[in-house]
Amino acid sequence: QSALTQPASVSGSPGQSITISCTGTSSDIGEKNLVSWYQQNPGKAPKLLIYEVIKRPSGVSNRFSGSKSGNTASLTVSGLQAEDEADYYCCSYADSRTLVFGGGTKLTVL
Amino acid sequence: EVQLLESGGTLVHLGGSLRLSCATSGFDFYNYGMSWVRQAPGKGLEWVSSISGSDGSTYYADSVRGRFTISKDNSKNTLHLQMNSLRAEDTAVYYCAKNYESSGFYEMGAWGQGTLVTVSS
Repeated sequence: QSALTQPASVSGSPGQSITISCTGTSSDIGEKNLVSWYQQNPGKAPKLLIYEVIKRPSGVSNRFSGSKSGNTASLTVSGLQAEDEADYYCCSYADSRTLVFGGGTKLTVL
Repeated sequence: EVQLLESGGTLVHLGGSLRLSCATSGFDFYNYGMSWVRQAPGKGLEWVSSISGSDGSTYYADSVRGRFTISKDNSKNTLHLQMNSLRAEDTAVYYCAKNYESSGFYEMGAWGQGTLVTVSS
């Protein structure tokens, strides 16, 4: 159950788009379309942004979108806003019906 | 409104035991998968354990398997995590989470506020 690999930080200016990658293996991300993304603000509980690679829960802005290619999943945030500044985590089904998180990415809005 | 409220976190000695609880309301607890996720101070999220809503099957991270036990009390709409043989590396905020829309546990759609477990000598 090795953690998925995410960049430690990304940044962008308001209005721009950024993409956060999440790299795993054929035993986790590559095996099933069960990748989810979470946003966490300091001192708060995480919030589900994307599930099953591309689906958005009700109430989540359509500025957040997900995708996957092979063993790498991606979260794109378009039209960056100051409120998007937070930590972002990917999570995937892994072998033996377990879950594994990425190490997290800090998004800074310049 | 879905609500999750964890309790039971405290300071415990190395090798000790602790039972966390997560009281829930606002949804059909029996039908949903539930999970525990932890976050060590200043660190990222780590999946700990999950329990299926359909048949009660349980799943554990390698780091806690054999030491932690997850369970659901459907009569009280409460999730538990029994933690034994605690180690310093178990120190973390423990969150309970409800699966978004099914009895599985692959997408955590609602979270509690977390409860802090500190393991110290």
